[in-house]
Formats: sequence, structure tokens, C-alpha cells
Amino acid sequence: EDKVVQSPLSLVVHEGDTVTLNCSYEVTNFRSLLWYKQEKKAPTFLFMLTSSGIEKKSGRLSSILDKKELFSILNITATQTGDSAIYLCALSGGGSEKLVFGKGTKLTVNP
Amino acid sequence: DGGITQSPKYLFRKEGQNVTLSCEQNLNHDAMYWYRQDPGQGLRLIYYSQIVNDFQKGDIAEGYSVSREKKESFPLTVTSAQKNPTAFYLCASSKDRALSGNTIYFGEGSWLTVV
Repeated sequence: EDKVVQSPLSLVVHEGDTVTLNCSYEVTNFRSLLWYKQEKKAPTFLFMLTSSGIEKKSGRLSSILDKKELFSILNITATQTGDSAIYLCALSGGGSEKLVFGKGTKLTVNP
Repeated sequence: DGGITQSPKYLFRKEGQNVTLSCEQNLNHDAMYWYRQDPGQGLRLIYYSQIVNDFQKGDIAEGYSVSREKKESFPLTVTSAQKNPTAFYLCASSKDRALSGNTIYFGEGSWLTVV
């Protein structure tokens, strides 16, 4: 059974801190790993990762995938209060046409 | 504008009643999904449909039903058989069934509260 485990489940930091969110997975036939940010309602897409070792970057956010060790990290540098959200990791693979989500990491950035 | 529209945004239901949540997309996407989100549980898949007139059970389909009579519409019925229906429900769609080079797009969600 495909599985996605995110850690930590909850994190509280101060503005300006750098954070690293973790996502480990088990899958029989990996296709892609996706990161989403969910503030109040609909999750919004951040990154899709398919290849190991290639960093995806968008502003202060970056993400990388390690297909050998079966994990991905999402980094946020110089955090702002607007980064407060639940960050979801999702996996596509196993010959199935559906995404498997982790439980999410709730990030709180205090001023 | 293209997107996914869910309605209603907030819904209260008495125990023992069925309720239907609407999901419409004008993105011309083949695949549509329903997820349920509870605090600390992430997103769990209820049902998904890869093509019109076909749908598959997800991980927590018991107490729910769906239909896919039109490409753009994928309504979810929460039946009285669902023991803990109070949750946030998210509808989503993706361009193709394989999700190989595409992402999944979400609606704004529907909050269902059973009173």
C-alpha cells in the first residue's frame, strides 16, 4: 500500500527563521511527488518533483527529491507570517490514477 | 475564468438526512475526485472518476455515493449511513487520468456539519 509520512506534524517559528519540512514515502511505482500549501480552503500547488537531486525553486521556497532514500524536503527561508499554513505532500504512483496525501505539516510563523 | 466550483460552501444537516454536494469544473478535465479532510488527518480519497459514466471507490467510500453523468460534473451524496459526516469536503480535477505530467486542481471546499 502506498504511504506518505510527513514530519513534523506541527511547527511554530518566528519570522525570519528557515524551516525544513519532511516527506517520506513508500510506493511500488513512483511517478511524481507534489507539494501543496493550504491556508484556509483549497490547497494550492507548489511543486511537482519527478527526478532525484534536481531542486525546484520558487522565491523563498525550494524542494528536492531523493528517490534512493525515498524522501523529499520543502525549505522555506526567511519565513513570513503569510507562510503560515498546512503544507501537504502527495504521491502519484503504484499504477493508480490517484494521489495519496500525507497528513500535512501545520506551520505557524509568529511575528 | 476556468476553475472548479463547489457548492454549497457551508451546509448543516440533521442526522438521518442525505445531502448532496455539488462540484462543477470548466477545465475540460477528464478526472475528478472527492476528498475528505478532518483535523490532523490530511486528505483522504472518497471516490474518483476517470471518465464519464465511470467511477471508483477511494479509501473511505462507505456512506457516500457519486455519479458522473457529465464530464464537468461530479456530485457527492453523503448518506445517512455515513457515521461521522462532519468534515471539510474537497473536490478536485486533473487533466488526464495518469497524473503523470499534470497536477490536480482543487475547489474551495464545502464544510458539512451534522447537527
